[in-house]
Amino acid sequence: AQTVTQSQPEMSVQEAETVTLSCTYDTSENNYYLFWYKQPPSRQMILVIRQEAYKQQNATENRFSVNFQKAAKSFSLKISDSQLGDTAMYFCAFMRAGGGADGLTFGKGTHLIIQP
Amino acid sequence: NAGVTQTPKFRVLKTGQSMTLLCAQDMNHEYMYWYRQDPGMGLRLIHYSVGEGTTAKGEVPDGYNVSRLKKQNFLLGLESAAPSQTSVYFCASSYPRVRPQHFGDGTRLSIL
Repeated sequence: AQTVTQSQPEMSVQEAETVTLSCTYDTSENNYYLFWYKQPPSRQMILVIRQEAYKQQNATENRFSVNFQKAAKSFSLKISDSQLGDTAMYFCAFMRAGGGADGLTFGKGTHLIIQP
Repeated sequence: NAGVTQTPKFRVLKTGQSMTLLCAQDMNHEYMYWYRQDPGMGLRLIHYSVGEGTTAKGEVPDGYNVSRLKKQNFLLGLESAAPSQTSVYFCASSYPRVRPQHFGDGTRLSIL
């Protein structure tokens, strides 16, 4: 079984600052996917970024980037030039690769607050 | 393009009542999932389906049943609702190989 740990229940930064959210995971799998989802107060689950474990290059999506350390089983999310609209719960999630369906295994989330 | 649609968005039940949550997707996805989200926790997988007519248990299946009679629909049933099933329920769908899951907007279910 996989576990995902987000050690920061809540973080608060000023608008325009850079913030990094931590995520560690435990698995015996070699091939898998990692995701960051954003959940604003509207309750929607919005995919922010994904990373395939076989890719060494860290994924980036505009202001969002990850630091993927496979050996350390670490997958942190960096948000640059933070904006008020980034205020939300952020969930790190793991999924095994390969055949068959697998659900996502989520961490407990980090509540990110962007202060004006 | 509606994506993943959940019905209803809110519901209040009494203990022992039954109900069915409906999830519909219009993206022709093979895989569909039901999750629940409780306060202070991430989403947990209840049941999932890899195709029409097939279902499988996830992490927290007890007290729930599911059916996938049509590819685009995935139903979650509570036969005898219990207060412990008060939660927000999310449906998601995806293609088999390209794995990002697309989520519905959730159903808030309260059981008194």
